Amino acid sequence: ETGVTQSPTHLIKTRGQQVTLRCSSQSGHNTVSWYQQALGQGPQFIFQYYREEENGRGNFPPRFSGLQFPNYSSELNVNALELDDSALYLCASSYGQGGSEQYFGPGTRLTVT
Amino acid sequence: AQSVTQLGSHVSVSEGALVLLRCNYSSSVPPYLFWYVQYPNQGLQLLLKYTTGATLVKGINGFEAEFKKSETSFHLTKPSAHMSDAAEYFCAVIFSNTGNQFYFGTGTSLTVIP
Repeated sequence: ETGVTQSPTHLIKTRGQQVTLRCSSQSGHNTVSWYQQALGQGPQFIFQYYREEENGRGNFPPRFSGLQFPNYSSELNVNALELDDSALYLCASSYGQGGSEQYFGPGTRLTVT
Repeated sequence: AQSVTQLGSHVSVSEGALVLLRCNYSSSVPPYLFWYVQYPNQGLQLLLKYTTGATLVKGINGFEAEFKKSETSFHLTKPSAHMSDAAEYFCAVIFSNTGNQFYFGTGTSLTVIP
């Protein structure tokens, strides 16, 4: 059974640029959630995708967007990067829409300069 | 407002001593409760969870937690700390009216002193 994988591991971008982060969910899972973890903080929920549809969104602006593909892998896109977007971005997969434990990937460390 | 609070951002214990990490939530309806551990430069690993049923739940690596509705708490314990337990620990909650959104506490960094 393959776990959750994310790419790239690290990324450095300049303010104003756009970035795409990728996540492959664990085998058998159809739900992907994305989180932003700033240094020294707990993860903050960005949004969740269930069977290719957005299924809940946290308090993040529209420049944070996502996709889920038929194989349940997912992308997180961030436009017009700001310095405060520097963080560890975590992807988690699960089965079903709610109440089940989520399995996390190792994360992508994004640095915005 | 619904919230998750972890008391103590840093906890130090001696090797072999009891580990107690505190988590309280604010909600009128019992939520689903989870504890995750994060090692440096890694993602989060599930330690244990409570959804329904027995209020004392056992997890991996000798950890356990007890859901106490009257105290709105879900504290994490381990009878005897090991050096490998040093990590960041997060309490996470799914509130019943959000369906799918995890709310995380701010984390507790556990140091184990040899």
